[in-house]
Order: sequence, then C-alpha cells, then structure tokens
Amino acid sequence: DTAVSQTPKYLVTQMGNDKSIKCEQNLGHDTMYWYKQDSKKFLKIMFSYNNKELIINETVPNRFSPKSPDKAHLNLHINSLELGDSAVYFCASSQQRQKGEKLFFGSGTQLSVL
Amino acid sequence: EDQVTQSPEALRLQEGESSSLNCSYTVSGLRGLFWYRQDPGKGPEFLFTLYSAGEEKEKERLKATLTKKESFLHITAPKPEDSATYLCAVQVGGGKLIFGQGTELSVKP
Repeated sequence: DTAVSQTPKYLVTQMGNDKSIKCEQNLGHDTMYWYKQDSKKFLKIMFSYNNKELIINETVPNRFSPKSPDKAHLNLHINSLELGDSAVYFCASSQQRQKGEKLFFGSGTQLSVL
Repeated sequence: EDQVTQSPEALRLQEGESSSLNCSYTVSGLRGLFWYRQDPGKGPEFLFTLYSAGEEKEKERLKATLTKKESFLHITAPKPEDSATYLCAVQVGGGKLIFGQGTELSVKP
C-alpha cells in the first residue's frame, strides 16, 4: 500500500498546454510538499501546505498553482507549460513541520515539455 | 544564504572498498541534517537525521556523522546494492529542506 502516491508517472506535453499532477498520502500526515528535481538531480522546494493551508511558497512562477482539497491531497496545476518546466516533480509529506520531522516522498512525475 | 554542497558528485567503488561522502552546509538555524538515498526512477528514501555536532547514527553498512560545518556518510565494505544517489539536506524554518546536489555512488562487484 503506497504511502505517498502521485499520478501520472510520466507526462509528455506540448508547450503552452495546461496540465495537472495529483498527489495523495495515506499516512495521516498534516503537511505536504511539492519539490522539483532538475536534470542535475538538484531538489528544490516549491510549495508546502499544512492542514490545507499554504505555508511555503518559494519563488515559483504564477503559472504553478497548488491546490489542497483536504490534508491527504495536494495537487499541482501548471498553466502555459514552457520548455524549462521539464523536470521530475516530487510530492512529499511529513507528520508536522517540527524539527527533525522526516519527509516521505512519492515516486515522482517526469514532465517533458516539447 | 542557506547552502548545502556535496562532494564528490560521483564516486565509483569496488565491492568492499570503504569510503566517505561529504556534505558541507552553511545555514542560519540548523534544525536537523538529513541523509536520503535515491534510486533511479524513485523518490528519495529517508536514511538518517542528525541534530547536533558529535552525533553519529548507523544503519547496516552506513554511518552518518555531524560537525558544526559538515556531515559525512561513511560506507563500510559496500555492496553493489548500495549503488544509488545519496542526498544530504538541512532543515530550516517551516519544515523546509534545502538539498545538496547529491553524490552518485556506483559499487562494482
């Protein structure tokens, strides 16, 4: 039973399209995150939600909009996709935001913008 | 600015050849240092959390240590199944993790 699951696994699309990535966690955690991993394996935080409330919003283009319908789900919608958006996007969750709280990651969504 | 740097970027070892991976960091207000393992096509998997200088943690062939400026991941007598990318991250306010670029470890039989 997968703890953090995200769909789709692969997403290939044309520039200018709008796409969404879904994430669900069954761990009962309060906090969820979106991270972006570039071609050099560098992971960078994009957003964080705690109990459906946005708490971290890094310098991310407005074309990226996270939505959390409940604390078990955090979706990522991307408008007007650009070539530079190609990357692997990881969803993660943690029990809370406290010191030392480890993150559990999904298996990633590889986005390719053509 | 908070920063995490890992070295080397890639490391090739023979099975049984012990070595260490380095993670240097500069952060204001360290709340924890994490090591993760990432296999190809998968998400990072948690290994260790260290909180204060002098702390050490072990798991099978891996041992993580922490000083005020860096952390080491020591791999003793590695096996091919230890091949993966090892990521270091520091936790700052709000639960945010700042990752290094990773060390890609390859262990040949």
